[in-house]
Amino acid sequence: QKEVEQDPGPLSVPEGAIVSLNCTYSNSAFQYFMWYRQYSRKGPELLMYTYSSGNKEDGRFTAQVDKSSKYISLFIRDSQPSDSATYLCAMSPYTGGFKTIFGAGTRLFVKA
Amino acid sequence: DAGITQSPRHKVTETGTPVTLRCHQTENHRYMYWYRQDPGHGLRLIHYSYGVKDTDKGEVSDGYSVSRSKTEDFLLTLESATSSQTSVYFCAIRSSGSEETQYFGPGTRLLVL
Repeated sequence: QKEVEQDPGPLSVPEGAIVSLNCTYSNSAFQYFMWYRQYSRKGPELLMYTYSSGNKEDGRFTAQVDKSSKYISLFIRDSQPSDSATYLCAMSPYTGGFKTIFGAGTRLFVKA
Repeated sequence: DAGITQSPRHKVTETGTPVTLRCHQTENHRYMYWYRQDPGHGLRLIHYSYGVKDTDKGEVSDGYSVSRSKTEDFLLTLESATSSQTSVYFCAIRSSGSEETQYFGPGTRLLVL
């Protein structure tokens, strides 16, 4: 079993829909949780960063962490065609980057 | 791409040949990382560096070596390329004292025939 599980999709939604992307994990030591967006043939770019449990909102994006369920989510409100990309979750037990585990990514298509 | 460049951006090589990929940063970050990205596996850490001449192995380091003789350059070498090393390679940086976030370069697509 992988430490981080993420549904690869693809997920296809109409423009304006609310999108929910999720990851589950098995390592209870994870404390730092990230979401990256990756456009085709580009490097991943950081979208959201959360430490420990709770919610974090940034514009149309909301990240949620439920450590008791070992489950994290990214919500995208009012989705746009420009949101079409692969979304990677990532998590780490501590700072330093050398123990960051990435999900395989969920591919999202937002149809105009 | 946070001041990160990678070269070459694309490379085709033959099994058994050595290959070196270069990552260059312009912002003097201490930490640098090499990842590979494969379908179904996400990003996996190959090697990382926490300073000049200070490097360590990641999750999938077999068959790879790295060097960092200057702050701005982090080199990844495939000593004798194999077809299983066909992948997209990403370099990343992280600033000292920052939150647990990394910033990625544009990637190098490597095909080993």
